[in-house]
Amino acid sequence: AQSVTQLDSQVPVFEEAPVELRCNYSSSVSVYLFWYVQYPNQGLQLLLKYLSGSTLVKGINGFEAEFNKSQTSFHLRKPSVHISDTAEYFCAVSETGTYKYIFGTGTRLKVLA
Amino acid sequence: ETGVTQTPRHLVMGMTNKKSLKCEQHLGHNAMYWYKQSAKKPLELMFVYSLEERVENNSVPSRFSPECPNSSHLFLHLHTLQPEDSALYLCASSHRDRGEGEYGYTFGSGTRLTVV
Repeated sequence: AQSVTQLDSQVPVFEEAPVELRCNYSSSVSVYLFWYVQYPNQGLQLLLKYLSGSTLVKGINGFEAEFNKSQTSFHLRKPSVHISDTAEYFCAVSETGTYKYIFGTGTRLKVLA
Repeated sequence: ETGVTQTPRHLVMGMTNKKSLKCEQHLGHNAMYWYKQSAKKPLELMFVYSLEERVENNSVPSRFSPECPNSSHLFLHLHTLQPEDSALYLCASSHRDRGEGEYGYTFGSGTRLTVV
């Protein structure tokens, strides 16, 4: 069965430090992968997505993610975070050719001054 | 402006009231969704509307009633709610490609519902 796991519920990091938010998925078929960001009292906003092609995907706000098929992972990275990156980040997976769409439980990123 | 507009942004209602949440998308998407987001809980898919299907999460109580008059508008009618229904209700839309799948959702800003 399709599933997505975000092991870290919270990640504190100092401003200008690098950050990696982890996402692992399981699926028996090929998938599309997504990262969303949610600021307080807002809806989710699409950060980036992997549909096909290059496994390194660049998104908005300086974020990037790498699709690793062998490790079934799609970790989100940013080389230098800013206070304004404080938000909750959701990974999502969708099986190609279907409408199934699963969200992870979210990782709260807190950037410290 | 995200392309998906939800109204109202905030709603406080008593348990005996009837109210409706509205969602509108101008992206030309062909599927719309209602999600419930409660504190410390995963996103919960409530309803899906598209040309091919209407999907209802069987665990959603009947006091929540969706309506989708066309591909651009989605409503969630609320009646006799309980305090545990207090949450952020998110509307989303997407383009579904038959044979390919889902390319990603666009969410509205949500309606913060408080039931007193």
